[in-house]
Amino acid sequence: AQSVTQLDSQVPVFEEAPVELRCNYSSSVSVYLFWYVQYPNQGLQLLLKYLSGSTLVKGINGFEAEFNKSQTSFHLRKPSVHISDTAEYFCAVRRISGGYNKLIFGAGTRLAVHP
Amino acid sequence: DVKVTQSSRYLVKRTGEKVFLECVQDMDHENMFWYRQDPGLGLRLIYFSYDVKMKEKGDIPEGYSVSREKKERFSLILESASTNQTSMYLCASSRTSGSTTVHNEQFFGPGTRLTVL
Repeated sequence: AQSVTQLDSQVPVFEEAPVELRCNYSSSVSVYLFWYVQYPNQGLQLLLKYLSGSTLVKGINGFEAEFNKSQTSFHLRKPSVHISDTAEYFCAVRRISGGYNKLIFGAGTRLAVHP
Repeated sequence: DVKVTQSSRYLVKRTGEKVFLECVQDMDHENMFWYRQDPGLGLRLIYFSYDVKMKEKGDIPEGYSVSREKKERFSLILESASTNQTSMYLCASSRTSGSTTVHNEQFFGPGTRLTVL
C-alpha cells in the first residue's frame, strides 16, 4: 500500500518570498509522483509530475519539485510567490505497475500568500 | 480541452434521502473516479470504473454505490444519506492505455458540495 504525508497543513508566506511545500511518501513498490493545485471553489489541476528521468521537474506557474528516492520525498518549491498562488496543494502518488491509474493523495497544504 | 462536469455545485439533502450525484466527461475516457474531499484528510477514493458497467471499490465505499451505464456518465448514489456524508465530492476521468505503466492524467470536475441535514 502507498501513503502520502504532507508535513504542513498551512503555510503562510509574504508575496515575492520563496516557498517550499513538503511531501513524503511511503510505498513498497515504485511510484509516480504528482502535485495538484486547487484554487478556491474549483476542481484539482495538475501542477507537475515525476514519471522518470531528471529528478527535478518543472511545472506550470513557475513551480518545480525534486524527487529524492532515498528520502522518499517530493517537495514543491517556488522562488517567488504571488497573491494568485493562494490555493490548496495536494501531493499524490500512483503505483507504476497496475492499479488502473489510481491516485493516493496527501491531506493537502493550504498556501496563503499575504501582501 | 477535456471537460468534466458535475450536475450540481451545491446540494442540500435531508438524512435518509436517496441522493444522486452525476458526472459527465466529454473526452471518451475509459476510467472514471469518485472522490470525497474533507479538511485534513485530502481526497479519498470512493469508487472507480474502468469501463461501462464495470466498477471497483476504492478506499471508502461504505454507504455509497455507483452506476456507469454509458461511457461518458458516472453516477454516485447515496442510498440513505447521513450527516457524516456531508462533504465535497469530486469526479475525475482519465484515458487508459495498453500498458499499466503508462500514466494518463486524471482530469477533475469542479466538485459538488453536499450538505446532509
